[in-house]
Amino acid sequence: IAGITQAPTSQILAAGRRMTLRCTQDMRHNAMYWYRQDLGLGLRLIHYSNTAGTTGKGEVPDGYSVSRANTDDFPLTLASAVPSQTSVYFCASSGTDTDTQYFGPGTRLTVL
Amino acid sequence: GQNIDQPTEMTATEGAIVQINCTYQTSGFNGLFWYQQHAGEAPTFLSYNVLDGLEEKGRFSSFLSRSKGYSYLLLKELQMKDSASYLCAFMDSNYQLIWGAGTKLIIKP
Repeated sequence: IAGITQAPTSQILAAGRRMTLRCTQDMRHNAMYWYRQDLGLGLRLIHYSNTAGTTGKGEVPDGYSVSRANTDDFPLTLASAVPSQTSVYFCASSGTDTDTQYFGPGTRLTVL
Repeated sequence: GQNIDQPTEMTATEGAIVQINCTYQTSGFNGLFWYQQHAGEAPTFLSYNVLDGLEEKGRFSSFLSRSKGYSYLLLKELQMKDSASYLCAFMDSNYQLIWGAGTKLIIKP
């Protein structure tokens, strides 16, 4: 692994289903982030974690949850997917919460 | 409140120079970032300004005026591979990035 990886690359999901998007980094970064990107809008922060064991809510946290059990992994869970959660999801990490953020390749999620 | 604005789309010619502007309003500021994003790919870091002035990095330069809430990204000697979206973002007082919607740059031969 080099940098940040995300899985799956893309997914089509039925509304009401549970889904976990995976994110792993091997840079030993303390801070990690989940964003969604929608056409015509800037990246919007869903949840973040400044260090393993802690998480915080971003601008659009409703319908999403995260956990940070260790430094490397930061999964994002949609408990019961809705069509408005159709988006491209990017995971990012930075050395600390004030450092430059580096992005994973993204997951394209479609909820029908 | 906080907001950030940049043009939706710009067109330029290969070999030319283009300036992409970004304006922002915030009560707490911890720096201004520029990222490049090719279609279907992740954003990649280009530059960071926290003090007023110009930062030059090869063909790309970024300028910041904190008093005016203004930044620009200057791309010189444009190449076809520079066709991409350019995202500006400021870091607020909580160290969270607030992102513009991006400027799609189209390069014509």
